[in-house]
Amino acid sequence: GENVEQHPSTLSVQEGDSAVIKCTYSDSASNYFPWYKQELGKGPQLIIDIRSNVGEKKDQRIAVTLNKTAKHFSLHITETQPEDSAVYFCAPGGTGFQKLVFGTGTRLLVSP
Amino acid sequence: ETGVTQSPTHLIKTRGQQVTLRCSSQSGHNTVSWYQQALGQGPQFIFQYYREEENGRGNFPPRFSGLQFPNYSSELNVNALELDDSALYLCASKAGRADEQFFGPGTRLTVL
Repeated sequence: GENVEQHPSTLSVQEGDSAVIKCTYSDSASNYFPWYKQELGKGPQLIIDIRSNVGEKKDQRIAVTLNKTAKHFSLHITETQPEDSAVYFCAPGGTGFQKLVFGTGTRLLVSP
Repeated sequence: ETGVTQSPTHLIKTRGQQVTLRCSSQSGHNTVSWYQQALGQGPQFIFQYYREEENGRGNFPPRFSGLQFPNYSSELNVNALELDDSALYLCASKAGRADEQFFGPGTRLTVL
């Protein structure tokens, strides 16, 4: 948490390509690592999350990998589709009642 | 199962006025958090309520206040509105200490 950066800020891919978004954080106490997707005019939607005792998690076309030593985690989307176009936020934080600290956001555009 | 709902959808106020935003949490969720999302940025944590008590607060002045009711719905009150308060206000709910938070669609506040 606290200082959270995402790269890239914008990402344009062709339909069917893979997309990778990286999130770097500074708070070593973070142990919960979610990714949110926000479409225009909507609130953020939780798409995948991982906890610090796990290195990788996959859910169909979406995966998240965590490198706690280096303090970064990444979102991987395979076989992208136009409906994947949105702004993606990482939001590392603590578990329980700890707050989420959102990253700067990555705008993903998938062209047909 | 009903998700998180917020009202109103849009609101226009003038500088110096006061505003109240409302949130109904997802069924079974007793923890509610509020976030402010300025245009083009990630959401910023305002505060969190659990069982009608505030149990976490971000870096926001005291003119931002809240309430949680026995049915776990919540209000965000902002006094002495400033132009910089123009933003999307998001409510998120979760079950107790669970990690996963689920967001509502937000209230778009414009301060003129």
